Amino acid sequence: QQQVRQSPQSLTVWEGETAILNCSYEDSTFDYFPWYWQFPRESPALLIAIRPVSNKKEDGRFTIFFNKREKKLSLHITDSQPGDSATYFCAASANYNQGKLIFGQGTKLSIKP
Amino acid sequence: EAAVTQSPRNKVTVTGGNVTLSCRQTNSHNYMYWYRQDTGHGLRLIHYSYGAGNLQIGDVPDGYKATRTTQEDFFLLLELASPSQTSLYFCASSDFRGGNTGQLYFGEGSKLTVL
Repeated sequence: QQQVRQSPQSLTVWEGETAILNCSYEDSTFDYFPWYWQFPRESPALLIAIRPVSNKKEDGRFTIFFNKREKKLSLHITDSQPGDSATYFCAASANYNQGKLIFGQGTKLSIKP
Repeated sequence: EAAVTQSPRNKVTVTGGNVTLSCRQTNSHNYMYWYRQDTGHGLRLIHYSYGAGNLQIGDVPDGYKATRTTQEDFFLLLELASPSQTSLYFCASSDFRGGNTGQLYFGEGSKLTVL
């Protein structure tokens, strides 16, 4: 079963626009939500993360919005740049087993110049 | 900078073959992981470990064994490889002690092809 779901599967936006990547989850015990990004032919790397004590986490042009009631979160990338083109993975882990990190299927983002 | 090294980087075997993927981390992290990456499925957790001699079952463990011999070394074993196990395998390490957040540091990946 897919415990962490992402949409859309792929997304193309123009340079300078805001890209919005969505993520939803099923397990209400999940309490840590990192986003990883992966460039072609490279390994995934941590981009930004949030814990549900906050509904929003911002790091430069990247912002996570979190809705605990709906079990949804989204990653907003403002002023998108061609260098942001990558696959983005939403992930989650539970408070009782923080070592087990579950990933979504990923969203492939392309930024057109 | 975290360092996770995988070997081999590329491996081709035949159905029924025996494959061992190796991973070594030099960060003194307590957790180590094996994920497989396939188009449309993202990263799926096979096995993980929180220390030498420990093994935890992930979400797609069938057909895989793993062993954590030391804090640094984590091995993934495919004893009867099947074409469905053709994939890109990533090893990763993380640490939750001393206030660390558990950020995963990934190796370079091992591409396995089962003919």
